[in-house]
Amino acid sequence: TQLLEQSPQFLSIQEGENLTVYCNSSSVFSSLQWYRQEPGEGPVLLVTVVTGGEVKKLKRLTFQFGDARKDSSLHITAAQPGDTGLYLCAGAAGAGSYQLTFGKGTKLSVIP
Amino acid sequence: NAGVTQTPKFQVLKTGQSMTLQCAQDMNHEYMSWYRQDPGMGLRLIHYSVGAGITDQGEVPNGYNVSRSTTEDFPLRLLSAAPSQTSVYFCASSWGSSSYNEQFFGPGTRLTVL
Repeated sequence: TQLLEQSPQFLSIQEGENLTVYCNSSSVFSSLQWYRQEPGEGPVLLVTVVTGGEVKKLKRLTFQFGDARKDSSLHITAAQPGDTGLYLCAGAAGAGSYQLTFGKGTKLSVIP
Repeated sequence: NAGVTQTPKFQVLKTGQSMTLQCAQDMNHEYMSWYRQDPGMGLRLIHYSVGAGITDQGEVPNGYNVSRSTTEDFPLRLLSAAPSQTSVYFCASSWGSSSYNEQFFGPGTRLTVL
């Protein structure tokens, strides 16, 4: 069974601060996705990374896939209250595998 | 497009009761799946389907049944509810079965089993 460990589990920061969320595994993943979930709603996809070492940017969010494709990080620059939510990483064992392994999530609170 | 819809939004059952959680999508997606989300556990796959008439088990299938008679609908049946099935259930769909495909999630059904 592949496991994805997310850290930290909880994060409370002031508006304007930077933060990084980590997603680590001892297993190799063919791709990794990051989702954001707001209370009472389903997760919404932010990004998919597929190549080792890949970096993708989405406005103030920067996503990186580790060279060995075992880990990933999400960095938010100048966090805003609208960034508040639960961030989930999800990995796929193979390109044709539709079974995603989800991390337990990082609950982010950005205080105005 | 309504996307992925789920009904009901909330449900309370007594132990031993059965019920069906409804899921529908209007995006003509091939792949549909059911997850449960428990505090501190992330999302865990219950069952999935790669097309009408085809279903398979995920990580935690015990106590649940599914069927896929149409592309649009993918109901989840609880045969005899147990307190351990108290959870938030999410249905998701995607146009293909590759892990690269974005999964679109419904708003969830919050189920409590007493």
